[in-house]
Amino acid sequence: EDQVTQSPEALRLQEGESSSLNCSYTVSGLRGLFWYRQDPGKGPEFLFTLYSAGEEKEKERLKATLTKKESFLHITAPKPEDSATYLCAVQVNAGGTSYGKLTFGQGTILTVHP
Amino acid sequence: DTGVSQDPRHKITKRGQNVTFRCDPISEHNRLYWYRQTLGQGPEFLTYFQNEAQLEKSRLLSDRFSAERPKGSFSTLEIQRTEQGDSAMYLCASSLLERRNYGYTFGSGTRLTVV
Repeated sequence: EDQVTQSPEALRLQEGESSSLNCSYTVSGLRGLFWYRQDPGKGPEFLFTLYSAGEEKEKERLKATLTKKESFLHITAPKPEDSATYLCAVQVNAGGTSYGKLTFGQGTILTVHP
Repeated sequence: DTGVSQDPRHKITKRGQNVTFRCDPISEHNRLYWYRQTLGQGPEFLTYFQNEAQLEKSRLLSDRFSAERPKGSFSTLEIQRTEQGDSAMYLCASSLLERRNYGYTFGSGTRLTVV
């Protein structure tokens, strides 16, 4: 069964203090790894998709990387507005058109203090 | 592009009652997904459609749950004989099958409270 584990469960940073969030996955065949941001009371907001080991993507203060077993979301010089829950999800190769669903981790709650 | 719309935003119901939620996806998206999320957890897959065909349903999904997507546009999710354990946020998402590097677009969800 496909599994996604995120760590830490919660992370508190001071403004400007860079850090990384981890997403470890065990799947039969990875098609894509997705990162989302979720604010309280709202649906997840898409950040990145990574498709192959070694791939990196950046958006403002966020950078996502992918290896064969895990992904990291690096946050450089975070600001209070970066506070949110960050979700990681995987999509697997299952043949034909049956790769639709995403399997999510439990999320990392990030709090950035001014 | 007005995003994914879900209605209602909040629903409080008594145990044993039936409830129905609606999702309007982004108009050109051919896939539509339903997820359930409880506090402190990531979204859990329920079912998804490609156009009007329901392609997969979670084996964790009780027979009390049913979803439809008539004509491949909006979708409804019905829960019959609600139980307190059904209390959760129900999220809808849509995507365009062949569009790489773009994730699913989620709605803001319907928060269900069963009392």
